[in-house]
Amino acid sequence: GIQVEQSPPDLILQEGANSTLRCNFSDSVNNLQWFHQNPWGQLINLFYIPSGTKQNGRLSATTVATERYSLLYISSSQTTDSGVYFCAVRTHNNAGNMLTFGGGTRLMVKP
Amino acid sequence: EPEVTQTPSHQVTQMGQEVILRCVPISNHLYFYWYRQILGQKVEFLVSFYNNEISEKSEIFDDQFSVERPDGSNFTLKIRSTKLEDSAMYFCASGLAGANEQFFGPGTRLTVL
Repeated sequence: GIQVEQSPPDLILQEGANSTLRCNFSDSVNNLQWFHQNPWGQLINLFYIPSGTKQNGRLSATTVATERYSLLYISSSQTTDSGVYFCAVRTHNNAGNMLTFGGGTRLMVKP
Repeated sequence: EPEVTQTPSHQVTQMGQEVILRCVPISNHLYFYWYRQILGQKVEFLVSFYNNEISEKSEIFDDQFSVERPDGSNFTLKIRSTKLEDSAMYFCASGLAGANEQFFGPGTRLTVL
């Protein structure tokens, strides 16, 4: 099956800093989503971005499908950005539409 | 904004007991999913459901698991005889079409003692 690798696995930032999280995948995809898992365990949808670039406030994401990677940018980080960030993908060959998740990037933003 | 809801938020059960986790997907969605996340691990796919039948299931989804859409709004996951290793966060998700965005519920944390 498809492999999804996220980097870095852990990241510590000072409040106000910027960061880039990366998601590499091993096959062509027609769905890519970024999620934020908050301290209560909830998965918050951030972006649905199988290709191109999107922005939502301090967050933006870019997927380069032909090169099989996606980037999540966090600017002016805040303590509330702490948590785990997951990317998840669906391959073209997947009839059942399952999402395959990466291992996540654990982000801690210090005040 | 419509959202996926799940009940209960936390369920504690004894090993060997049956549990039913409930989900109300977004009303006009056609595709429904269950995922689980063991503490500290990645989120794993369990099953997808479309047109009143299972369209795909993972190796985790063995005979102890079943899903049902008993009416027009609820989507349930049943575990017949829970094991300690079933302790996890269970997420329900729904989508309008197959390749479209999947919207996740807040999860049910299942603890098996």
